Amino acid sequence: DTGVSQDPRHKITKRGQNVTFRCDPISEHNRLYWYRQTLGQGPEFLTYFQNEAQLEKSRLLSDRFSAERPKGSFSTLEIQRTEQGDSAMYLCASSLVSTYEQYFGPGTRLTVT
Amino acid sequence: QKEVEQDPGPLSVPEGAIVSLNCTYSNSAFQYFMWYRQYSRKGPELLMYTYSSGNKEDGRFTAQVDKSSKYISLFIRDSQPSDSATYLCAMIPYGNNRLAFGKGNQVVVIP
Repeated sequence: DTGVSQDPRHKITKRGQNVTFRCDPISEHNRLYWYRQTLGQGPEFLTYFQNEAQLEKSRLLSDRFSAERPKGSFSTLEIQRTEQGDSAMYLCASSLVSTYEQYFGPGTRLTVT
Repeated sequence: QKEVEQDPGPLSVPEGAIVSLNCTYSNSAFQYFMWYRQYSRKGPELLMYTYSSGNKEDGRFTAQVDKSSKYISLFIRDSQPSDSATYLCAMIPYGNNRLAFGKGNQVVVIP
């Protein structure tokens, strides 16, 4: 069990560029979640998948954000036309369907200049 | 009013002291309660998980839930410098899967 992994760990981009982040969940976990955390705040829910189906999206997930989980394994989160307000830590978590315990990855820190 | 309130004020304690952290919540649908530890620039690490009122112990950590008062606590006994981190409470309502977090408490254990 190697835990949840995320790539890249850090991303610096210019305003208006598109960025894509990847998350690999714990191998037997069929639920995968994305959260966003800004400085001094707790993580905020963005969206979650059960297998390949995206079951819930927060209103925080504007139409510039899209998430996918093809084949129910890894997931990608894409942000189009980045804005400075998108600067945050993007966290991925995974869990089994049978439990509520979510295990987080190390996060991708995004800085939009 | 946020669903989960956690006083973010930094907390400094001497090594060996008991650390006491708490959160309150407003949504009575919250049924599952967790505490996460987050070191600087790292992802949150699950420490404790409970779903019933009462106490749950795991080593030096005790999680307490009082559903009637909508109040949860985390106690760390014999605190160590390695316990210095931000502690986040989190909870999930019944029938849902999104974690609602508090702001986190920064704890510093002074050797």
